[in-house]
Amino acid sequence: GNSVTQMEGPVTLSEEAFLTINCTYTATGYPSLFWYVQYPGEGLQLLLKATKADDKGSNKGFEATYRKETTSFHLEKGSVQVSDSAVYFCALSDGDGNKLVFGAGTILRVKS
Amino acid sequence: DSGVTQTPKHLITATGQRVTLRCSPRSGDLSVYWYQQSLDQGLQFLIQYYNGEERAKGNILERFSAQQFPDLHSELNLSSLELGDSALYFCASSSTTLDTQYFGPGTRLTVL
Repeated sequence: GNSVTQMEGPVTLSEEAFLTINCTYTATGYPSLFWYVQYPGEGLQLLLKATKADDKGSNKGFEATYRKETTSFHLEKGSVQVSDSAVYFCALSDGDGNKLVFGAGTILRVKS
Repeated sequence: DSGVTQTPKHLITATGQRVTLRCSPRSGDLSVYWYQQSLDQGLQFLIQYYNGEERAKGNILERFSAQQFPDLHSELNLSSLELGDSALYFCASSSTTLDTQYFGPGTRLTVL
């Protein structure tokens, strides 16, 4: 079945450092790809999405490009802030009904 | 605020009991999804309803059931509860089965 693999965390960075969180997927067809973020004690918030190959999703300084050739959707940010500390989930939409298949999540800790 | 509401926020109960979790989707959204987030299983899709009809089923136990009412709110019923059912239960909604899903804040269930 379809699946998502994320780099294991936690990832610990200093403020203003460059962030990359790797995400690769296995899927039949052409799923949409998503990054969701979960702040401590809160629900999931959509961070960005891409619906077809070579699409770039972006939001709040975060970016990810849908790479069909490498089946990847890596999350990047040029300069992280303490407020970016959260758990980041990569996900794909799966088949009829569009249910989401999530990766295991990557904890990001940003230190001042 | 995603516009999806879930009640209650926290629920503590004993093994063998039955509980009902409630979800109100965003205004106008016809599709409701239920997900379970646990430490060992991660985020897993349970079940989806679209305009009152069951649309897709995931890793949902037979002890669990759900329904979507004419006003489009949904309830997830968990019975014969076991310690392993302790988890965060999220509801998400989308306007159609192809659109982005927006998540509620979740219900944290603790089974003692």
